[in-house]
Amino acid sequence: GEDVEQSLFLSVREGDSSVINCTYTDSSSTYLYWYKQEPGAGLQLLTYIFSNMDMKQDQRLTVLLNKKDKHLSLRIADTQTGDSAIYFCAESPTYSGYSTLTFGKGTMLLVSP
Amino acid sequence: EAGVTQSPTHLIKTRGQQVTLRCSPISGHTSVYWYQQALGLGLQFLLWYDEGEERNRGNFPPRFSGRQFPNYSSELNVNALELEDSALYLCASIYRDSYGYTFGSGTRLTVV
Repeated sequence: GEDVEQSLFLSVREGDSSVINCTYTDSSSTYLYWYKQEPGAGLQLLTYIFSNMDMKQDQRLTVLLNKKDKHLSLRIADTQTGDSAIYFCAESPTYSGYSTLTFGKGTMLLVSP
Repeated sequence: EAGVTQSPTHLIKTRGQQVTLRCSPISGHTSVYWYQQALGLGLQFLLWYDEGEERNRGNFPPRFSGRQFPNYSSELNVNALELEDSALYLCASIYRDSYGYTFGSGTRLTVV
């Protein structure tokens, strides 16, 4: 079955870049997503990438996809203390309007001043 | 535009009791998903409703059930509560041809 793996914790200093990694097993994954969860809140969609893309950039966020290795990463440039949160990687075999997303367990990002 | 709203935000129940959680999707969204976020387990898919029908179900026992109403709002019912049902229950909605769910803030259920 599908499985999505993430490292559990990442600590960086304010102003540094953060890189959060994710691996997935389902070779039919078509769409891959990054969500952010702040304490006491639901999940917020940050960005997504189609499997036919290698990279997507959106302001401070850069998503890299290595489809051969089934590896996805999220880079946050100039990380701020407000970026401290749990980041979830999720995959879907179709656009999520007609499927369920499989989530990783989340990576807790701690940004220190 | 109002987001996905869930109620109640917190509740405490006793083992063996029953609970109903409610979700109102974003206006125009026809699909509603329910996820359980238990400590250390990430998000586990529970149920997917679309146009009033159950489309998919996760690996949960039958005491987890729900429904979707004609206005696309949804309820999640959990019978015979067990201690391990303590979790944050998240509802998400999406319009059929869009990408990525919009999540509510969740209902924190504690079973004692």
